[in-house]
This record gives sequence, structure tokens and C-alpha cells, in this order.
Amino acid sequence: QVQLKESGPGLVQPSQTLSLTCTVSGLSLTSNSVSWIRQPPGKGLEWMGVIWSNGGTDYNSAIKSRLSISRDTSKSQVFLKMNSLQTEDTAMYFCANTPGDFDYWGQGVMVTVSS
Amino acid sequence: DIVMTQTPSSQAVSAGEKVTMSCKSSQSLLYSENKKNYLAWYQQKPGQSPKLLISWASTRESGVPDRFIGSGSGTDFTLTISSVQAEDLAVYYCEQYYDTPPTFGGGTKLELK
Repeated sequence: QVQLKESGPGLVQPSQTLSLTCTVSGLSLTSNSVSWIRQPPGKGLEWMGVIWSNGGTDYNSAIKSRLSISRDTSKSQVFLKMNSLQTEDTAMYFCANTPGDFDYWGQGVMVTVSS
Repeated sequence: DIVMTQTPSSQAVSAGEKVTMSCKSSQSLLYSENKKNYLAWYQQKPGQSPKLLISWASTRESGVPDRFIGSGSGTDFTLTISSVQAEDLAVYYCEQYYDTPPTFGGGTKLELK
């Protein structure tokens, strides 16, 4: 049974760095790719970036300068780090298995950027 | 980036009604070598993560009721619900995975009439 679960702080101060973890079970990170996708309250979905099964990464050009995605295959975890957070980064953050489309999603973690 | 445009943005429906919603892409999603359209549909209910309904424009995921029908090719795609049920009230998103970055449409919200 494939499961993804996001974890991280619910509140981040403006200009600070966001760190999130996606813990994966039921699939291997060396054979599967994982994306981060976010959704501001009441709005649509925005793909942020992906870590491919070979460890390479691709990022959304709009946030590329602030974003880093990495992984620890031994722990089946994928990490997101995004710096210089602003209020417009307030959103639900999801991780999702990425065979092309997004077939398995985590439940999401709500991140609020506020002082 | 490929722009995905969904219409309508919201639709009021009654149970048992047939519903269609549109998704248009700014460039073709049909890959000539394998004749596949790189287009997916997702359903998102309030407070939940999106659920993959259809991939390759028309292939239902396992367990998805056959009232959900995906069609179209190239730049024009349609999701049809043949007979809407109460549990289908949700926001539906299309997404292209033909090119990086993958991009989503703005969504179609199905509401009760």
C-alpha cells in the first residue's frame, strides 16, 4: 500500500526558510519520482518541483531561486527547503508520486507565513 | 509553459444529470511517437488531497466509477460524468504532463443546484 505523508511546521515567519519532509512507504525512491505541489487557500494547484528516481531535480522557474528538493533513500524521505518566505507562500503543501501524472498524494500540510 | 484553461469555472448540477467540462491546452499534448495524450483529470473534495481519476486523457484509474469518461485529443479535452451523484460534488482539475513544468487548469467546481 503506497502512502506519502508530509510533515513540517505550520507557521513560518516572513523571510524565514520552510523545511518540509515527505515520508514515503510502499514504493522505492530509487525507482519512483516525487513532486511537491502547493495550493493557496481557495485557489488552484501549483507544481513546485520534482526529484527524479535518479536523484536529479527540476524546479518551477517562478520559484527556482528559492527552492531545493533532496532525499534520503535509506529513510524513504524527500525534503523541501524554500527560503525567503512571504505571505503569498501560505498554502497547503502536498507531495505526490510522479510516474508522469500524480497517482498518489499525501494528505498535505498547511503552512502559514505570518509574523 | 503550457497554459491549461478549464471551463466553466463552476457548474450547478442536479443528481442524475449528465455533466461535461472542458479543458484546453495552449499546445498539443499528443506525442506522435506513441499516439498518447499526456493529460490527466483529478477530483478534489473539500479538505482532501486531489485524487487521480483519469490518465492519458481517457484511461480511468482502478476503482474509478465508469460514469467518469475522459475524451479528446491534441489541445481539446472533456471530462463527462454520465449521471452525477451527490458524492461527485468537488473541484475537477486537468493537468498536462507532456512537458516540464507540469501545469494545471484552474478547476471546475461542481455544486448542487
